[in-house]
Amino acid sequence: DARVTQTPRHKVTEMGQEVTMRCQPILGHNTVFWYRQTMMQGLELLAYFRNRAPLDDSGMPKDRFSAEMPDATLATLKIQPSEPRDSAVYFCASGGDRGNTEAFFGQGTRLTVV
Amino acid sequence: GQQVMQIPQYQHVQEGEDFTTYCNSSTTLSNIQWYKQRPGGHPVFLIQLVKSGEVKKQKRLTFQFGEAKKNSSLHITATQTTDVGTYFCAGRKGSGAGSYQLTFGKGTKLSVIP
Repeated sequence: DARVTQTPRHKVTEMGQEVTMRCQPILGHNTVFWYRQTMMQGLELLAYFRNRAPLDDSGMPKDRFSAEMPDATLATLKIQPSEPRDSAVYFCASGGDRGNTEAFFGQGTRLTVV
Repeated sequence: GQQVMQIPQYQHVQEGEDFTTYCNSSTTLSNIQWYKQRPGGHPVFLIQLVKSGEVKKQKRLTFQFGEAKKNSSLHITATQTTDVGTYFCAGRKGSGAGSYQLTFGKGTKLSVIP
């Protein structure tokens, strides 16, 4: 049963600490998305990758956020330093090879910054 | 940038009543997708519409794509308690790198009163 795996599922951290979220996309999927979900803003696209190359990260605050794909089986989203306003659910999603395929979401990482 | 507006934000219906959510894009879309997110869960793909004026049905759900490919709707006939959740539309633009970007509306949260 192919699925997107995200770790950790929950993270509570203190303001100023570094947070790293990890995502294992579905094997063979070439497109990876990072979304942030909050009550106020809904699902915001932070960044997306195609064949491990970042295509668009304009939705991401550059001063503290960074997204990478060290290899085809791992995508990471880092926040340094974290702030209380970063508290949200962060979803990773992967998609197939064409621009008309669906996105498969992971179960998300619920981040709380205190 | 591309914006996808979705209304209403919330909808409370009596079980058995119909429900409709509407999605509008500021730009012409190459395709539009619909997702459902159950409370505490992650978005799950429902369907994709590609052609101008396309209509697709899944049991009690009817999806439409506008003639100009800038709007879409999801209609649920005779709602059931299992329909509870947030329904999102997500749009893709045309060709090039942007064709992989999936922009979500803020969703319509459906509550069904038994």
